[in-house]
Amino acid sequence: GQQLNQSPQSMFIQEGEDVSMNCTSSSIFNTWLWYKQDPGEGPVLLIALYKAGELTSNGRLTAQFGITRKDSFLNISASIPSDVGIYFCAGPPDRSYNTDKLIFGTGTRLQVFP
Amino acid sequence: NAGVTQTPKFRILKIGQSMTLQCTQDMNHNYMYWYRQDPGMGLKLIYYSVGAGITDKGEVPNGYNVSRSTTEDFPLRLELAAPSQTSVYFCASRVLSEAFFGQGTRLTVV
Repeated sequence: GQQLNQSPQSMFIQEGEDVSMNCTSSSIFNTWLWYKQDPGEGPVLLIALYKAGELTSNGRLTAQFGITRKDSFLNISASIPSDVGIYFCAGPPDRSYNTDKLIFGTGTRLQVFP
Repeated sequence: NAGVTQTPKFRILKIGQSMTLQCTQDMNHNYMYWYRQDPGMGLKLIYYSVGAGITDKGEVPNGYNVSRSTTEDFPLRLELAAPSQTSVYFCASRVLSEAFFGQGTRLTVV
């Protein structure tokens, strides 16, 4: 089945640094979603992307929908301690226009040190 | 505004026991999902539903069953619990592209 691979698996950075992570798929996606999961909580939507090449920001977060439609990128600028958590990409895979499924990537675990 | 509510929050089961994880949402969303998250891993789709009376398998459906008799409720049933089903289970409902998650049920099978 479809698989979303995220890299890096984990990151350990200092407060104030910028962060980049990406998500790749073997198949085309029409929508890319980025979620954050705080410890002990369910994921929460950060950014949604709907068009190839689209660049969307949400505060210090910026995400891009890759031109090939098989990848997406998330950047966090000037990281702060509350950015700690697991970041997931997700989306409904484009297969015979079936957008009912919502599958998640493997996750990037972010640790921020003061 | 309750959103997506899961019960119980924690449960310990013995091998071979059965149980139902409850999930209810008050947002009138047609789409609902069950995921499991193993320690340090991502979310794997177990089952999903696009509306009352309609369910379909996800990536890892073996050992589970679901039903969707109403828009609000989407229970997940484990018939013969196995240690491999030790995990955190998340229920979600969805409108357009955004999925809203419950707080999760932490299940341990011993």
